Amino acid sequence: NAGVTQTPKFRILKIGQSMTLQCTQDMNHNYMYWYRQDPGMGLKLIYYSVGAGITDKGEVPNGYNVSRSTTEDFPLRLELAAPSQTSVYFCASSYPPGQGYYGYTFGSGTRLTVV
Amino acid sequence: AQTVTQSQPEMSVQEAETVTLSCTYDTSESDYYLFWYKQPPSRQMILVIRQEAYKQQNATENRFSVNFQKAAKSFSLKISDSQLGDAAMYFCAYRSLPNFGNEKLTFGTGTRLTIIP
Repeated sequence: NAGVTQTPKFRILKIGQSMTLQCTQDMNHNYMYWYRQDPGMGLKLIYYSVGAGITDKGEVPNGYNVSRSTTEDFPLRLELAAPSQTSVYFCASSYPPGQGYYGYTFGSGTRLTVV
Repeated sequence: AQTVTQSQPEMSVQEAETVTLSCTYDTSESDYYLFWYKQPPSRQMILVIRQEAYKQQNATENRFSVNFQKAAKSFSLKISDSQLGDAAMYFCAYRSLPNFGNEKLTFGTGTRLTIIP
């Protein structure tokens, strides 16, 4: 049972480059999320999705894009990397509250450095 | 919008002793969920304990228990018989009930717990 799988685990980007952070879950969760964690801080929501084809912005969406074509996958796209996007990125998934276990299952994170 | 405040950036405790981590939150909602997550150096986010706001009984998971004070909007975590493996960042988090446009887990800034052998 893999849970939430994120790739890559580490990445160094140059300013202006683009990349996609991959996230896939095998628990048939409707809800998926992308968070970023800056040093010494809590997690802030970038984007989330309540089902295939439905996405919405979180607290800090600028500079990112997402898509949700399947229940399993929720990739995060950085189009023009900036140093301010240096962070650890977490993908998570869950059932909606009221439908089974409502806690989040997190991936192991991607450490991204933009230089 | 909901906010979660952890006023203790760092705490330390002797091994085998008890420590309490504080968390307060602000909300206008009457029903919600509260969580404590542990983040060890491995970076993995691990659920420690959860509480439904409609339940008056405090949640307990082995050595971990909470003191949930709904009126005071307080949700503290007590760790009994502290072990070296408890050393980590601990995050308090709040989750609303389903309401499209307000569906997210809101985190505090964390408390770094050090266990002294």
